[in-house]
Amino acid sequence: EDKVVQSPLSLVVHEGDTVTLNCSYEVTNFRSLLWYKQEKKAPTFLFMLTSSGIEKKSGRLSSILDKKELFSILNITATQTGDSAIYLCAVDGGSTLGRLYFGRGTQLTVWP
Amino acid sequence: DSGVTQTPKHLITATGQRVTLRCSPRSGDLSVYWYQQSLDQGLQFLIQYYNGEERAKGNILERFSAQQFPDLHSELNLSSLELGDSALYFCASNTGDPSYEQYFGPGTRLTVT
Repeated sequence: EDKVVQSPLSLVVHEGDTVTLNCSYEVTNFRSLLWYKQEKKAPTFLFMLTSSGIEKKSGRLSSILDKKELFSILNITATQTGDSAIYLCAVDGGSTLGRLYFGRGTQLTVWP
Repeated sequence: DSGVTQTPKHLITATGQRVTLRCSPRSGDLSVYWYQQSLDQGLQFLIQYYNGEERAKGNILERFSAQQFPDLHSELNLSSLELGDSALYFCASNTGDPSYEQYFGPGTRLTVT
């Protein structure tokens, strides 16, 4: 059965800390891995990763994929209270094109 | 704002009833995806439509059905509702090409009492 596992489930840090969120997957016919940020409602897209070893960066957020070891990490440096959210990892794979398999998410809380 | 709209925002209904959730994709997107998010299950893919045709099915119950209309909006119909159907229902859209990310709507919160 295809699955995506995120860790930790929950993380509480102070502003300015750096955090690393993990996502491991076992999905056949892997096509891409996506990171989303979910605050109050809809998940908003952060990154899509398709190739191993190539870091994607957007401001204080960065992510990298390891297709050999089947995992990805999402790094957030100099965290701010506005980073508090659930971070979701999803994998596009399996026998169905475009179907996303989501992890349960990591709840990040940043204290001032 | 992703450009994907969903109505209604909230829905409270009784067990055994039937509801319809509506989604309008971003302008130019041909594909619509439906997801269910509950506390114990996380985000679960239900079904995908592409240009009016069903393209993929996920963990969708037989009591649930969906369709996509010629104007590309989509409706998710949930019938014989049970308490366990209470969840956030998201619609997402993209061009239909899996190499492009999906953009999520604000969701419809369904509460079954």
